[in-house]
Amino acid sequence: DAKTTQPNSMESNEEEPVHLPCNHSTISGTDYIHWYRQLPSQGPEYVIHGLTSNVNNRMASLAIAEDRKSSTLILHRATLRDAAVYYCILRDPTGTASKLTFGTGTRLQVTL
Amino acid sequence: EPEVTQTPSHQVTQMGQEVILRCVPISNHLYFYWYRQILGQKVEFLVSFYNNEISEKSEIFDDQFSVERPDGSNFTLKIRSTKLEDSAMYFCASSGDRGLKNEQFFGPGTRLTVL
Repeated sequence: DAKTTQPNSMESNEEEPVHLPCNHSTISGTDYIHWYRQLPSQGPEYVIHGLTSNVNNRMASLAIAEDRKSSTLILHRATLRDAAVYYCILRDPTGTASKLTFGTGTRLQVTL
Repeated sequence: EPEVTQTPSHQVTQMGQEVILRCVPISNHLYFYWYRQILGQKVEFLVSFYNNEISEKSEIFDDQFSVERPDGSNFTLKIRSTKLEDSAMYFCASSGDRGLKNEQFFGPGTRLTVL
């Protein structure tokens, strides 16, 4: 899987929007961009994924750069429950493996 | 909402003993995975399983590890002779297809402590 780069940590105030960046300059044309998060003492949890177009779901939005070399996960109104490690993961659908390759992610702290 | 369950939540064992970690994936899912996370480190892929056989395994998944789907609901990870370095959180996951576009659902994990 292609490599991604994320900041180690970010902070946000509750009720404020949060933009979590991810760089993936070596992304291939067929790689999907997935985001998972891991709340404290829990297993990872799917957040959102996309290929080229921006995506929205009930949890978050995903903004993908036109050249696909970067993306941003947007939490529109952070809550204390959003404090977690957020992982940006590229997945190649042409390969035989469907595993997730986790990096170190971004640890998001949310304060009152 | 359907969820992946794992038992036990915490397993303590002596070095050299065999352990079996159990998972019940989401009922209509076809693809199953084990991952582990050593304290303070990244989540690491161990093995994927489909159609009653291993699809892929990592270098971590050596001869001491095995997986099995003994019936239509359970998915187990066996470690034959545990080592101190096997101490970690072990997460089971399942997905409805190869998961290339779809999500993997993770269980809450089993904390394995090897003494």
